[in-house]
Amino acid sequence: GENVEQHPSTLSVQEGDSAVIKCTYSDSASNYFPWYKQELGKRPQLIIDIRSNVGEKKDQRIAVTLNKTAKHFSLHITETQPEDSAVYFCAASKGSYSGAGSYQLTFGKGTKLSVIP
Amino acid sequence: DVKVTQSSRYLVKRTGEKVFLECVQDMDHENMFWYRQDPGLGLRLIYFSYDVKMKEKGDIPEGYSVSREKKERFSLILESASTNQTSMYLCASSSGQGSPYEQYFGPGTRLTVT
Repeated sequence: GENVEQHPSTLSVQEGDSAVIKCTYSDSASNYFPWYKQELGKRPQLIIDIRSNVGEKKDQRIAVTLNKTAKHFSLHITETQPEDSAVYFCAASKGSYSGAGSYQLTFGKGTKLSVIP
Repeated sequence: DVKVTQSSRYLVKRTGEKVFLECVQDMDHENMFWYRQDPGLGLRLIYFSYDVKMKEKGDIPEGYSVSREKKERFSLILESASTNQTSMYLCASSSGQGSPYEQYFGPGTRLTVT
């Protein structure tokens, strides 16, 4: 099955600096890569995603890049703010290629980001 | 606005008890999922369902079963609770059409087995 590795497990940055979280996946058939943010005591929520036919996607201060050859993808947060402090999860899915259960996500173990004011 | 609700936020049960966790979604989603979340281990899939009465094992199904009798409701059952099942349990749902991949999570149930 798919295996998703995520690094680092914890990350502390000064407010205003950039943060980068990296993930690798094992199954070359995976074609969808979302990122979820989980604030303390709250449920995970999708913040950005990328499909395998796209190399980069940006949404304001958040961007995701994908390198299919190397099987890794990264989350970039610029101009970090205290409200960016949370646990971030990457995930991978094979989408429609796997039939039943094709929308199953395999998650990384998470990165706890702390933004220091 | 998608809403996924779970029957309890906190639950305390004794070893050996049968435990039911319920999840309800109001967006007519085809897919529903049960995860457990433990510190340092991320979100691990227990079971999922892509249709009524259909279920598939996830990565850690041992000690659990599920039931989906109606489209909007997905139940997780711990047949005989054990202390190593103390965890946060998260339910999620996703559509089978349009953008099928985004999963909407419930608030979670923190289960303690003593």
